[in-house]
Amino acid sequence: GENVEQHPSTLSVQEGDSAVIKCTYSDSASNYFPWYKQELGKRPQLIIDIRSNVGEKKDQRIAVTLNKTAKHFSLHITETQPEDSAVYFCAASSDYGQNFVFGPGTRLSVLP
Amino acid sequence: GAGVSQTPSNKVTEKGKYVELRCDPISGHTALYWYRQSLGQGPEFLIYFQGTGAADDSGLPNDRFFAVRPEGSVSTLKIQRTERGDSAVYLCASSPGMPSGNTIYFGEGSWLTVV
Repeated sequence: GENVEQHPSTLSVQEGDSAVIKCTYSDSASNYFPWYKQELGKRPQLIIDIRSNVGEKKDQRIAVTLNKTAKHFSLHITETQPEDSAVYFCAASSDYGQNFVFGPGTRLSVLP
Repeated sequence: GAGVSQTPSNKVTEKGKYVELRCDPISGHTALYWYRQSLGQGPEFLIYFQGTGAADDSGLPNDRFFAVRPEGSVSTLKIQRTERGDSAVYLCASSPGMPSGNTIYFGEGSWLTVV
């Protein structure tokens, strides 16, 4: 089955700096890669996703890149703000259901 | 409803008791997922429904755990003979299902504490 690894487990950045979180996956059949943000005590919320037919997707200050050959994808947050502080999870899935496998998470702290 | 609804939001139960957790998915979503999340961990897959049938139940940890979705909408996760190690947040998520899309949307979770 699919296995998703995520690094780093914790990340601290100064406000205004960029943050990068990296994930790798094992199943070449996976072709959908969402990223979720989870604040303390809240539900995970989708922030951006990418499908395997594109290599990069951007939405304002966040972007995701995908390298299918190497089976890794990354989340990039620019101009970080204190409200970006949360736990971020990557996930992998195929189009035809099965389960979504999540990474273990990265706790991002943006220091003022 | 507007989002995925889960009840109860919090449940404290004694070891050995039976527990039911309910999930009401987004209207029209055919796919429904149950995950378990322990403190400091990522969501751990339990079971996935497509319509009424369990398409993948490989994540259920043992036969004390069972889930149903009899009419293809509301789902119930059932835990028998609860153990302290079952304490976690149980997250439900739903998705339109392909070909409409497979983005999943989570509920707020049911916090289960077994004492």
